[in-house]
Amino acid sequence: AQTVTQSQPEMSVQEAETVTLSCTYDTSENNYYLFWYKQPPSRQMILVIRQEAYKQQNATENRFSVNFQKAAKSFSLKISDSQLGDTAMYFCAFFTYNQGGKLIFGQGTELSVKP
Amino acid sequence: SAVISQKPSRDICQRGTSLTIQCQVDSQVTMMFWYRQQPGQSLTLIATANQGSEATYESGFVIDKFPISRPNLTFSTLTVSNMSPEDSSIYLCSVATRDTANQPQHFGDGTRLSIL
Repeated sequence: AQTVTQSQPEMSVQEAETVTLSCTYDTSENNYYLFWYKQPPSRQMILVIRQEAYKQQNATENRFSVNFQKAAKSFSLKISDSQLGDTAMYFCAFFTYNQGGKLIFGQGTELSVKP
Repeated sequence: SAVISQKPSRDICQRGTSLTIQCQVDSQVTMMFWYRQQPGQSLTLIATANQGSEATYESGFVIDKFPISRPNLTFSTLTVSNMSPEDSSIYLCSVATRDTANQPQHFGDGTRLSIL
């Protein structure tokens, strides 16, 4: 069974600084996808960035980038130039076609961006 | 992307009562999912709602407590039965997308449920 672990329950960063959120996972699958979701106080689940396991190149979306280490089963999220609107819960998630369409979520990291 | 309407957005209920949450999608979808998110916690899958058959429940969740209906490809309901304060959570509906590799699921805005 797949598991996803986020070991940082809470993080804080000063506005305009850079922060990295950690995520590790465990799987015996070779073909899978990893995602970072953002959940602000509005409760919406917003997809931030995705990574395909068979791609070595790390995904980047504007200020958000990942460091994907497949051998280490690590998938961290880096937020550059942090903004107040980045304050939210961040969830790492795992998806493979062999699990009935389900997403497996980590425990979440609560990020606070301070002015 | 699919537009998901979840109702109610929030409610406060008395213990021992039941509440039905609705999830409406603006397009036909194969799979719909119901999650529970306890305060400050991650999302826990309750069940997968299948059209035309019974829902598939995850370990720790039973049909008597969380009955689910899926009468067609655009609609599902989750009932939280005989509620207790421990049921105070956010309940989220999601749907499987056709572009699963890019975004496996779209989520509703959730129902914040408080039990007194």
